[in-house]
Amino acid sequence: QVQLVESGGGVVQPGGSLRLSCVTSGFSFSDYGIHWVRRAPGKGLEWVALDGKNKYYADSVKGRFTISRDSSKNTLYLEMNSLRGEDTAVYYCARDLRWEGQNYFDLWGQGTLVTVSS
Amino acid sequence: QSVLTQPPSVSGAPGQRVTISCTGSSSNIGADYYVHWYQHLPGTAPKPLIYGNKNRPSGVPDRFSGSKSGTSASLAITGLQAEDEADYYCQSYDTSLSAWVFGGGTKLTVL
Repeated sequence: QVQLVESGGGVVQPGGSLRLSCVTSGFSFSDYGIHWVRRAPGKGLEWVALDGKNKYYADSVKGRFTISRDSSKNTLYLEMNSLRGEDTAVYYCARDLRWEGQNYFDLWGQGTLVTVSS
Repeated sequence: QSVLTQPPSVSGAPGQRVTISCTGSSSNIGADYYVHWYQHLPGTAPKPLIYGNKNRPSGVPDRFSGSKSGTSASLAITGLQAEDEADYYCQSYDTSLSAWVFGGGTKLTVL
């Protein structure tokens, strides 16, 4: 079954750290880039980072978040440091599909909730 | 403030047609970047509806259609059904931000 499953969310204090995981199955992990996208309460979707041929980050998380992968486990990670209240959101991983030279999110996970609060 | 602008909400009766607009600029939609659309019910995985401005992934009914012109794009839904009630997002790439960008989302209510 082709799927992405996120885990690792929870409650963390401001300034704290958390590592999210995205376990993939049903497709060749090494052939695809994978994004993290988040949705804060009452807000819309926001792109966070991409692990592809290179790594890319949104300005809002650059220097605080690190994306990485373990191909032996078909798993993508998001290491989040110096967390702020505005990082509170459901975090989704999404598979990157290159179509006619551009990127498209063609498969998504169900998400994991991160709450930054004292 | 989202880079791509969508109306916060739209509504329609069952069987009717609604459209959702997505307005960008010369650094994203107007720069010949494709527009993609997603349907999202909070608590579930977002679902791709349209890719490459007008193409439907396998399994998406032809009641959903997309178009693009200049710096804007639209999603049309015909024959509205109760199950269409969800949040809808447009997405593209912004060359000034070097980032993938989403619209603010539009909540569709089926009356």
